[in-house]
Amino acid sequence: EPEVTQTPSHQVTQMGQEVILRCVPISNHLYFYWYRQILGQKVEFLVSFYNNEISEKSEIFDDQFSVERPDGSNFTLKIRSTKLEDSAMYFCASSEVTSGRAPGELFFGEGSRLTVL
Amino acid sequence: LAKTTQPISMDSYEGQEVNITCSHNNIATNDYITWYQQFPSQGPRFIIQGYKTKVTNEVASLFIPADRKSSTLSLPRVSLSDTAVYYCLVFDTGRRALTFGSGTRLQVQP
Repeated sequence: EPEVTQTPSHQVTQMGQEVILRCVPISNHLYFYWYRQILGQKVEFLVSFYNNEISEKSEIFDDQFSVERPDGSNFTLKIRSTKLEDSAMYFCASSEVTSGRAPGELFFGEGSRLTVL
Repeated sequence: LAKTTQPISMDSYEGQEVNITCSHNNIATNDYITWYQQFPSQGPRFIIQGYKTKVTNEVASLFIPADRKSSTLSLPRVSLSDTAVYYCLVFDTGRRALTFGSGTRLQVQP
């Protein structure tokens, strides 16, 4: 079955540095998402993206964050000037918009673990 | 945004049926009830989704009463590998958004 792939699996960075997390959604999917999960806590919604623009974003997704779909396959999350509290697992997800799937069926990647020192 | 409430944890034994009930009192007309499973250090995985009555797939059943203010995920004959966190979510088809709660940590013992 097709899957969402994320790179890197783990990134360690210094506070204040910029980080780009990459995702390759499933090819025929149209909705893309970023979620994060701080260790031991719940999965938090960051942003959704459709038709080359942000559909929805949470309070967490402030000016420090940005998303981009630079080509037909990649979906990236950029975190500018990372902070210690940005340490978390970041999950990318995608979904399609056809009647063949349940509308709430999101396909999640395995995550990118970000550690900010 | 409909909020969900579910037990923090549950214990079971291999071979038993597990039922996890979730309440979502302020569910809206456009919302679907959706359940996900998450293993440690992995992304959440879709289990099942329903709007009303009963839905069954190869891994679970979902029971939704007529008022849709609650739902019950039923896992038949659980095994050790079903030990995971199970999330009850309401999918807003207008916003196309999922909001995760704290989930139910299911521990299956031999």
